[in-house]
Amino acid sequence: EPEVTQTPSHQVTQMGQEVILRCVPISNHLYFYWYRQILGQKVEFLVSFYNNEISEKSEIFDDQFSVERPDGSNFTLKIRSTKLEDSAMYFCASSPKSQGVGYGYTFGSGTRLTVV
Amino acid sequence: AQSVTQLDSHVSVSEGTPVLLRCNYSSSYSPSLFWYVQHPNKGLQLLLKYTSAATLVKGINGFEAEFKKSETSFHLTKPSAHMSDAAEYFCVVSDNPGKLSFGAGTTVTVRA
Repeated sequence: EPEVTQTPSHQVTQMGQEVILRCVPISNHLYFYWYRQILGQKVEFLVSFYNNEISEKSEIFDDQFSVERPDGSNFTLKIRSTKLEDSAMYFCASSPKSQGVGYGYTFGSGTRLTVV
Repeated sequence: AQSVTQLDSHVSVSEGTPVLLRCNYSSSYSPSLFWYVQHPNKGLQLLLKYTSAATLVKGINGFEAEFKKSETSFHLTKPSAHMSDAAEYFCVVSDNPGKLSFGAGTTVTVRA
């Protein structure tokens, strides 16, 4: 069964450093997303991406965050200057459609980011 | 606006007995609803989804859920729990394409 692949599975970084979280979505999917889950809290929407641009973003997704699809397969989330409160599990997801019967989201296994 | 309330933070069942995980949602539009499961150190796996087709939805591993619009509920059930069902379960609603709202999760423990 096709999978969404995320790397690395764990990342430890110092406060103020830049991190890039990488995702390889399912190859024929057109919509890409990032979600995060701070320990003990709900999974939260960060951003959706379609046709090489951001479709929607949450208030969490401020100027320190950016997303990119640098080639035909990778989808990355960059955090420019990490803060302690960015420590969370980050999930990438992809879907073939945005709505309607038959659509659904496939999530990756997540990247656990720890900012120290 | 969309939101989800999972009524139980933790459910403990004996192996072979039924499992019921309760979920209520609120949505401005006709929502799509999902249940995801997360095993320890694993990603989010889709169990089943409702997208305005049949109100009784069958998923993987013997799980099913019934969409009840009058009660704004989407409870997840399984007739006979297995040890491998021990995990965290998330009820998720979407009335805005691409934007999912997750419940807080229900941790399921299965006793031998």
